[in-house]
Amino acid sequence: DARVTQTPRDKVTEMGQEVTMRCQPILGHNTVFWYRQTMMQGLELLAYFRNRAPLDDSGMPKDRFSAEMPDATLATLKIQPSEPRDSAVYFCASGLSLLAGGERETQYFGPGTRLLVL
Amino acid sequence: AQKVTQAQTEISVVEKEDVTLDCVYETRDTTYYLFWYKQPPSGELVFLIRRNSFDEQNEISGRYSWNFQKSTSSFNFTITASQVVDSAVYFCALSALNTDKLIFGTGTRLQVFP
Repeated sequence: DARVTQTPRDKVTEMGQEVTMRCQPILGHNTVFWYRQTMMQGLELLAYFRNRAPLDDSGMPKDRFSAEMPDATLATLKIQPSEPRDSAVYFCASGLSLLAGGERETQYFGPGTRLLVL
Repeated sequence: AQKVTQAQTEISVVEKEDVTLDCVYETRDTTYYLFWYKQPPSGELVFLIRRNSFDEQNEISGRYSWNFQKSTSSFNFTITASQVVDSAVYFCALSALNTDKLIFGTGTRLQVFP
């Protein structure tokens, strides 16, 4: 049963520290998404990649957040420096995107990383 | 612009009751996809169903059923004979053909009491 995996599951850190979250997408999927979930804002798309290329990171605070895909099996989301307002659950999702005209596949979500910045 | 509205913030029912969760969407695209996800108290987001805009057939999966009506831009979700394990937040989402992005509604929290 293929699943998206995320590490760490929980992270507590102090303001100003660097935080790195990792995601392993489902093998064969070519799109990866990073979402943030908070009570106030709900589910927000931060960034997404197709075939490892960043397509949209408009939802991400550029000054402190960065997202990369070093290879097809790893996506990272980094916050530097972290702030208390970054406290949230961060989800990674992966899916299979075909070129225009193709059937849309489903996004499958990882278990999330619960981040608390003190 | 695309938008998904889940007007019901929270619903409480007693076990064995039927419950319908509403989802209304807005899009100018003629080809699009609709999804439902479940988020139980454990926190993960679980995929329930995907429907494309050309398929208006209702779908039933066990106690779950979905009613897709393009005329009213709605994709409602019904749980028959609800159980305590159905307690979760349910999200409706929309995706257009020319983008991989999902637009989520704000979710409906369902509480099923024994």
